[in-house]
Amino acid sequence: DTEVTQTPKHLVMGMTNKKSLKCEQHMGHRAMYWYKQKAKKPPELMFVYSYEKLSINESVPSRFSPECPNSSLLNLHLHALQPEDSALYLCASSLQSESYEQYFGPGTRLTVT
Amino acid sequence: GENVEQHPSTLSVQEGDSAVIKCTYSDSASNYFPWYKQELGKRPQLIIDIRSNVGEKKDQRIAVTLNKTAKHFSLHITETQPEDSAVYFCAASILGTGNQFYFGTGTSLTVIP
Repeated sequence: DTEVTQTPKHLVMGMTNKKSLKCEQHMGHRAMYWYKQKAKKPPELMFVYSYEKLSINESVPSRFSPECPNSSLLNLHLHALQPEDSALYLCASSLQSESYEQYFGPGTRLTVT
Repeated sequence: GENVEQHPSTLSVQEGDSAVIKCTYSDSASNYFPWYKQELGKRPQLIIDIRSNVGEKKDQRIAVTLNKTAKHFSLHITETQPEDSAVYFCAASILGTGNQFYFGTGTSLTVIP
């Protein structure tokens, strides 16, 4: 398996809902990333996990809660989101956090109503 | 922190012509420079990258050049085809700092048949 997968592809949620985004890779990569991307803008880094430990948190609001249950899985738990949080959420992975190449998943298109 | 500027923001070329996209970076410690192509509604895909110990790298119709002294790097696409139409992002990264990518603002390339 040579790619990063994400589910769901699309998600619509209300501001009081709790939902989770899931990311999976089976390439043996030990670093995984969450990015947020608004239309026509570059990806913005949210979190970095290295060897299943959170290594970078880019001052993301607490309504976003990441989790790395094992080296292949990365979750992003969502609670009490705002409409401005609507965006494409991308997961990426790399061999190690000090490795170069990052490979992106297809993303989850999130709409907060 | 690192600041990456990318120009132009939009670029239209005739099929068969060449396209050049330029990026500058501010932190001389940056040592890895990937280029990503993102088609509408798709994931960013790594198309070529260059490390600071190399001045130029080529892969078929795509090439990247790096000038460390001037702190700029460029993407060159020759013999453009309609399927090259996409948004292109450059990025800069520093080894050993969690592999955080600093992205440029993107260039929307349109290849006119």
